[in-house]
Amino acid sequence: DAGVTQSPTHLIKTRGQQVTLRCSPKSGHDTVSWYQQALGQGPQFIFQYYEEEERQRGNFPDRFSGHQFPNYSSELNVNALLLGDSALYLCASSLSPSGIGREQYFGPGTRLTVT
Amino acid sequence: AQTVTQSQPEMSVQEAETVTLSCTYDTSENNYYLFWYKQPPSRQMILVIRQEAYKQQNATENRFSVNFQKAAKSFSLKISDSQLGDTAMYFCAFMTFLMNYGGSQGNLIFGKGTKLSVKP
Repeated sequence: DAGVTQSPTHLIKTRGQQVTLRCSPKSGHDTVSWYQQALGQGPQFIFQYYEEEERQRGNFPDRFSGHQFPNYSSELNVNALLLGDSALYLCASSLSPSGIGREQYFGPGTRLTVT
Repeated sequence: AQTVTQSQPEMSVQEAETVTLSCTYDTSENNYYLFWYKQPPSRQMILVIRQEAYKQQNATENRFSVNFQKAAKSFSLKISDSQLGDTAMYFCAFMTFLMNYGGSQGNLIFGKGTKLSVKP
């Protein structure tokens, strides 16, 4: 049973560029959440997708956008990259509805470095 | 706004001993869930233990147990018989349930983490 997978593993971009990160949820899961984890910090919630719609959003600017596909996989897009966007981006999947308090399974993350 | 505070940035413990990691949170919600996640160096974050706020009984998972004090908004993690493999960042996290989102899950709110080192 494949767990949550993310690609790429590492990415180096230049300020002002755009980036797309990808996530495949654990088999059977239908909800995908994205988190940003700066070095030495806890993850911060970016947004959550369920039924191909953004259901919740954290305190992140519109430069951060996403998408969920019919197969439940998801993409995170960041436009006009800033140095401060350098972080580990984590994808987590879970099962909803009735997924109240159910475990979110995390992927290994994508390390984004903006120079 | 909900917040999670972990007041111990780093801790160390000798192998086979017991260690307790602290976590406090702030919320006005009554229905919520609390979690401890473990993030080993350069490895995926995994769930250690979870607690439903409506349950008075403290959760236990093998060597891991919690002390949940709802009135005090405290949720500490006790690791018994510490093992070298327990070395990791430990994050306390909080989740609410969102009635107005068709029953979808709330998002996790994490603390800043406690770096635990288990020494041989």
